[in-house]
Amino acid sequence: DGGITQSPKYLFRKEGQNVTLSCEQNLNHDAMYWYRQDPGQGLRLIYYSQIVNDFQKGDIAEGYSVSREKKESFPLTVTSAQKNPTAFYLCASSLQGTQPQHFGDGTRLSIL
Amino acid sequence: GENVEQHPSTLSVQEGDSAVIKCTYSDSASNYFPWYKQELGKGPQLIIDIRSNVGEKKDQRIAVTLNKTAKHFSLHITETQPEDSAVYFCAASMGDSNYQLIWGAGTKLIIKP
Repeated sequence: DGGITQSPKYLFRKEGQNVTLSCEQNLNHDAMYWYRQDPGQGLRLIYYSQIVNDFQKGDIAEGYSVSREKKESFPLTVTSAQKNPTAFYLCASSLQGTQPQHFGDGTRLSIL
Repeated sequence: GENVEQHPSTLSVQEGDSAVIKCTYSDSASNYFPWYKQELGKGPQLIIDIRSNVGEKKDQRIAVTLNKTAKHFSLHITETQPEDSAVYFCAASMGDSNYQLIWGAGTKLIIKP
C-alpha cells in the first residue's frame, strides 16, 4: 500500500541534544512537508520541499533543519537551538503544490 | 499575516443530526480549500476539498460550500454517525505560494449516541 511512514512514533530528547525524525513516502510525490502541531492549535509549517535537493523555510523554521537527498525521504532534525521542541510532528507529501497533502501518523517528541 | 478562523472550537450533536463547521480566510488570493479529519494519535486525513472556481462540492454525507465574496467556506456533515467524532481542520492555500496552506485551529466534533 502506498503511504507515508514516520518513525519513531515516540521520541525523547535530552537537553542539548539534536534528534532526527524520519519520513518516507512511496507515493512518488514531488513535494514533502513538515508540520508542528501543538494542543488546541492548527498545523504550523516548518519546512517544505518542492523537489529533490531543494527546500524552503516555513513559518517556524528556527531551530530545525531538513535535507532532501532522495525523492522518497525528507528527514527533520530538531536541533538544540529549538527551545520548546515538545510537540507532535507531522510529515506530509503531495504530487505538486495545491494538490491534496497526504499525512503520516506523526512523531510525538518529548523532553526528558 | 494571513489567517484562517474556524468556528466552533467544539461541536456536540446528536447522532443522526447534521453538523456544520465554518471557516473564514483573509487572503483574497487563496484558491484551494481542503478539509481534514484527525483522529486521536493519527495524522490528518483529507475528507473533501474545493477550488475557487466551484461554489459547492458533495461526497455522500459530506459537502463543502465556498463563498469567495465573503471569504468563507463551510463543512456540512449530514446523518452524523459515531465514527464522525474527531477533530476537523480547514485550510486555505496561501495566495503567493502553491505549496503553503494556512490552517484553522480545529473543531472537536462529538457525536452523542
